[in-house]
Amino acid sequence: AQTVTQSQPEMSVQEAETVTLSCTYDTSESDYYLFWYKQPPSRQMILVIRQEAYKQQNATENRFSVNFQKAAKSFSLKISDSQLGDAAMYFCAYRKAGKSTFGDGTTLTVKP
Amino acid sequence: ETGVTQTPRHLVMGMTNKKSLKCEQHLGHNAMYWYKQSAKKPLELMFVYSLEERVENNSVPSRFSPECPNSSHLFLHLHTLQPEDSALYLCASNLHNAGASPLHFGNGTRLTVT
Repeated sequence: AQTVTQSQPEMSVQEAETVTLSCTYDTSESDYYLFWYKQPPSRQMILVIRQEAYKQQNATENRFSVNFQKAAKSFSLKISDSQLGDAAMYFCAYRKAGKSTFGDGTTLTVKP
Repeated sequence: ETGVTQTPRHLVMGMTNKKSLKCEQHLGHNAMYWYKQSAKKPLELMFVYSLEERVENNSVPSRFSPECPNSSHLFLHLHTLQPEDSALYLCASNLHNAGASPLHFGNGTRLTVT
């Protein structure tokens, strides 16, 4: 079974600074999808960014970017110019054949 | 507005009660999911419906009974629950078997079993 590991239960960052959240996963597949979701205290989980494993280019969405290392099975999320609204729990997810596996989440605190 | 609406937002029920959670999506998705989110535990997939047919049941106790009458609606019927069933229950939808289709989540129902 696939597993997703987020080794940082909690992270904090100063407003306007950059922070990187780590995620590793275990799979024997070559074609799959990876996602980062954000769950703020209001608890609605929303998509932050996604990456197709067959694409070598790292995905970016405004201030959010990923460092996808397929061989290392690593999928970290970089948040640049952190804002107070970025404070949330972040989940890394692996998806293959319609089935998603989530990591335990990283709680990000943004300090003003 | 996420397009996935869950009701109620909060629910307190006794162990002998029967209640239902409702989820509705108007995103044109063909797959719907129930997840359980407990404190200090990873997101647990409970049920998956694709084209109104249950395609996955992750060893969920029978006191949880899902129902998917059409592709836009999903219910979770609850009866004789235990205190350890207290959690946040999240509904999600997407296009099943479209790998790049992300999950769209509702706001969840915070369930407390007394």
